[in-house]
Amino acid sequence: GNSVTQMEGPVTLSEEAFLTINCTYTATGYPSLFWYVQYPGEGLQLLLKATKADDKGSNKGFEATYRKETTSFHLEKGSVQVSDSAVYFCALRHNAGNMLTFGGGTRLMVKP
Amino acid sequence: DAGITQSPRHKVTETGTPVTLRCHQTENHRYMYWYRQDPGHGLRLIHYSYGVKDTDKGEVSDGYSVSRSKTEDFLLTLESATSSQTSVYFCAISESAGQVSTVQYFGPGTRLTVT
Repeated sequence: GNSVTQMEGPVTLSEEAFLTINCTYTATGYPSLFWYVQYPGEGLQLLLKATKADDKGSNKGFEATYRKETTSFHLEKGSVQVSDSAVYFCALRHNAGNMLTFGGGTRLMVKP
Repeated sequence: DAGITQSPRHKVTETGTPVTLRCHQTENHRYMYWYRQDPGHGLRLIHYSYGVKDTDKGEVSDGYSVSRSKTEDFLLTLESATSSQTSVYFCAISESAGQVSTVQYFGPGTRLTVT
């Protein structure tokens, strides 16, 4: 079956540090990949997505590249801010299906 | 932001009581979903709907039922709540399904505690 594995948190960084949150997946075929972000007390918001191999999703300074050869979709940001503190979820969905499969989430804490 | 509201936002109930959670959307999207969020598990799909009166089971459907009598409302019912159903419940909607462009949008969540 499908599965998504994320690095466990919390990840604690200082403001302006470089961020990487690792995400790898197991799936048959060619799923679409997503990063969602959940700010404290809120629902999930779509951060970025990629729908085929070598696609790069980007939004708000965050980037992730769909790497089929390594089955990965790592999230990166060059300079984090305190306002980026949140829980980040990697997810996949088969294009022929409805169900999103989520990783366990990674909490990011950015200190001033 | 997608127009999705959930009610109630917080609920505490006792084991064995029935509970109904409501999801309401103003986007006229065809597809609606219920997920539960538990530490270390991310979100897991409980049930989803692909139209009025059309529903199907997800990954963790045991102990839950759903109903959709109108496009805008999707109800999740716990017939007899158990402590293992203590969780945060999220509703999601999407305009399409099974397409590359499909994106799910999430509501603010309902925190349910079963004592």
